[in-house]
Amino acid sequence: GAVVSQHPSRVICKSGTSVKIECRSLDFQATTMFWYRQFPKKSLMLMATSNEGSKATYEQGVEKDKFLINHASLTLSTLTVTSAHPEDSSFYICSARDRGQTNTEAFFGQGTRLTVV
Amino acid sequence: GQNIDQPTEMTATEGAIVQINCTYQTSGFNGLFWYQQHAGEAPTFLSYNVLDGLEEKGRFSSFLSRSKGYSYLLLKELQMKDSASYLCAVRGIYNQGGKLIFGQGTELSVKP
Repeated sequence: GAVVSQHPSRVICKSGTSVKIECRSLDFQATTMFWYRQFPKKSLMLMATSNEGSKATYEQGVEKDKFLINHASLTLSTLTVTSAHPEDSSFYICSARDRGQTNTEAFFGQGTRLTVV
Repeated sequence: GQNIDQPTEMTATEGAIVQINCTYQTSGFNGLFWYQQHAGEAPTFLSYNVLDGLEEKGRFSSFLSRSKGYSYLLLKELQMKDSASYLCAVRGIYNQGGKLIFGQGTELSVKP
């Protein structure tokens, strides 16, 4: 299957700082990428849909100003957690769908473990 | 609204067969996915159903009934490495973003 690369895989930051997470589709173009958050032993919670060249669509209850999403190209979306707090500590996962194949599985990045201290 | 239900956890014996059920109620439907996820890792794709019936792929099979809002994942010849969380996800229709909505996952423990 297609490859989605997410970076970094782990990050520790201090409260009040911002952290940027990158999601890249390596061998296909993705007009749409998705950002999820996962708490321990819980399922994936969709945070937002990232659309290339336009504003992201956020799910209800997700703060737009807190979780900034930029999808500047067909192969890159970034999620910035601004003014991070310990409660933002979580596993963040992105996925991307191949532009040319709308009915295939979404490919997931390897995830980013964020710890805010 | 959207609602996807699966059992929270299941236990099975190595070499046996296990069936993990998933029921869903969604405003739009464009396919149902099953993923496997080991702790601390990203989900990996197992199967995709968009039409009614059974899809078989090696030791894994997945069934869909759209009229009943029901799917199951069947794992045969269980191995210890199959111990993982299994996630059922429904895709919305494409003009609504085609996003995947996940169930809470089923934690499967395979015992010797």
